[in-house]
Amino acid sequence: ETGVTQTPRHLVMGMTNKKSLKCEQHLGHNAMYWYKQSAKKPLELMFVYSLEERVENNSVPSRFSPECPNSSHLFLHLHTLQPEDSALYLCASSQENRPDTEAFFGQGTRLTVV
Amino acid sequence: GENVEQHPSTLSVQEGDSAVIKCTYSDSASNYFPWYKQELGKGPQLIIDIRSNVGEKKDQRIAVTLNKTAKHFSLHITETQPEDSAVYFCAASANQAGTALIFGKGTTLSVSS
Repeated sequence: ETGVTQTPRHLVMGMTNKKSLKCEQHLGHNAMYWYKQSAKKPLELMFVYSLEERVENNSVPSRFSPECPNSSHLFLHLHTLQPEDSALYLCASSQENRPDTEAFFGQGTRLTVV
Repeated sequence: GENVEQHPSTLSVQEGDSAVIKCTYSDSASNYFPWYKQELGKGPQLIIDIRSNVGEKKDQRIAVTLNKTAKHFSLHITETQPEDSAVYFCAASANQAGTALIFGKGTTLSVSS
């Protein structure tokens, strides 16, 4: 177990639906991240939270809305998605928001937009 | 910004053989280079990393080498085993807060017994 838990593991949603992805970390880390993983592409960093404050938003469309209510939980709210948004969404955490600290990943949510 | 290229995209070896995965980066300011392993159905997991003040680092059957002049670094796995089969990602970043890790596209390693 990596200590980072994501739910659900799989999600199928229509383009008009609203859904949320949940991430929980039990490692006492101060930084949490959302990544998008598409086939044949590098991992794409979407959002970074440090001490519950969003510190980075990598030009992500507004149909993706993150929320970090406390240092242990991270959500990704989804609405009016497009089929090209289908991907594996990975949550990760690290002790602090520095790239040279080990990132611990969850197992991901496999999202399919129909 | 940083750009990381990773080769090959797929690699098949026989059990016991060695496997080498190579990455190049573009930003000379990058000084931290981790490697992540992603098994089927799991998230990536850090397996080894190297910083720019060393040229090589080993951990049992895996090793990473770094050539800062040429801006490339490589992962070496010796005596491969079926459980080494996974997708391997290299990454690079400058070692400072607020700088993101930039990942390569990944290499799918298959080890057949």
